[in-house]
Amino acid sequence: DAGITQSPRHKVTETGTPVTLRCHQTENHRYMYWYRQDPGHGLRLIHYSYGVKDTDKGEVSDGYSVSRSKTEDFLLTLESATSSQTSVYFCAISGQGVDTQYFGPGTRLTVL
Amino acid sequence: GQQVMQIPQYQHVQEGEDFTTYCNSSTTLSNIQWYKQRPGGHPVFLIQLVKSGEVKKQKRLTFQFGEAKKNSSLHITATQTTDVGTYFCAGPVQGAQKLVFGQGTRLTINP
Repeated sequence: DAGITQSPRHKVTETGTPVTLRCHQTENHRYMYWYRQDPGHGLRLIHYSYGVKDTDKGEVSDGYSVSRSKTEDFLLTLESATSSQTSVYFCAISGQGVDTQYFGPGTRLTVL
Repeated sequence: GQQVMQIPQYQHVQEGEDFTTYCNSSTTLSNIQWYKQRPGGHPVFLIQLVKSGEVKKQKRLTFQFGEAKKNSSLHITATQTTDVGTYFCAGPVQGAQKLVFGQGTRLTINP
């Protein structure tokens, strides 16, 4: 498996609280992605990064922000968590944006 | 926007039966990729197809890319319990460095 980790792996939080998820890679890949996975919806892209400080929105970006200050780290922040953001969040990395993506182990987030 | 549709959403088979999942894109794709996600796991890359009409095999798995490069299929011959999981296809979004994933086909197997 590619060197990609996510933290935390599980989190339970309350509505209205801020939450930050971290993705860390040791592969020096340029592209990093945040997806959420929900039953019946497959993998939906939230935000992605194509370099340090370079990010763009995906199809379900409302309520989420991201930051990438170093090549190896990509942070996903829920400014004020809502129950609709209960999901499994996957980070992925890629050397070329349209090429193979390698996924992290995922973070299961529950918003009560 | 660009979409990738995958059918069926669910498939339950007896062990030893064959299985096929189909992927259709709203646009022509430069390549198509297939991923497998085991229950409780993360998606893992299986294969990438690039050429029109391309067929690739991995043991009991056969992948095809359509002539028009808008559809693809994954066929598993004589399923085994190790094949259980969700299979996703994905294609590049035109003009962007990202992929669009199908909804996935969840395969369950009765031993």
